[in-house]
Amino acid sequence: AAGVIQSPRHLIKEKRETATLKCYPIPRHDTVYWYQQGPGQDPQFLISFYEKMQSDKGSIPDRFSAQQFSDYHSELNMSSLELGDSALYFCASSLGVHGNPLHFGNGTRLTVT
Amino acid sequence: GESVGLHLPTLSVQEGDNSIINCAYSNSASDYFIWYKQESGKGPQFIIDIRSNMDKRQGQRVTVLLNKTVKHLSLQIAATQPGDSAVYFCAETGYGQNFVFGPGTRLSVLP
Repeated sequence: AAGVIQSPRHLIKEKRETATLKCYPIPRHDTVYWYQQGPGQDPQFLISFYEKMQSDKGSIPDRFSAQQFSDYHSELNMSSLELGDSALYFCASSLGVHGNPLHFGNGTRLTVT
Repeated sequence: GESVGLHLPTLSVQEGDNSIINCAYSNSASDYFIWYKQESGKGPQFIIDIRSNMDKRQGQRVTVLLNKTVKHLSLQIAATQPGDSAVYFCAETGYGQNFVFGPGTRLSVLP
């Protein structure tokens, strides 16, 4: 079965650079979520989209933005990167905004040097 | 791959024994709960879910128990296998809310 696809798998950036992470949800899933996970931490919710509109916002820094496109894929744009942004970034998709499980991709490991 | 859960609580069980992983949730309005398994270098993988109108749900070798009175969720794994070694997270959500993940438990299966 098709899963959530994230790219790139690994990304190394320097401080103050920008990064773009991409997410392709499971076909027919209309909701996309972005999570950040630091070492030894549980995933922290950043932002979500339902039918291409932002549905909720969590602990996403103002330096980050995201959008969901007409084909339902999503991109997380990160600017003015800081060392503390180094983490695993997961995208998840679901059908609808409540009552169905999130299915996660294998993440993008971002390292800021 | 990325090492997840470097300083998480660890549960060690012998291969073939049953495992019980516990989770306390905080939001009494949560009505949908999921257990996820996360292996090193991978994203959380759906194991089993339960809605608040149920107390128990069984899957293949796994059972989830929900006690709404004390806001407690548990995952039971029968006949634990080496492939079950991973970090396990519970996640809760209510209508209009996003999923909130618990702190995670590392399950280590001993030969």
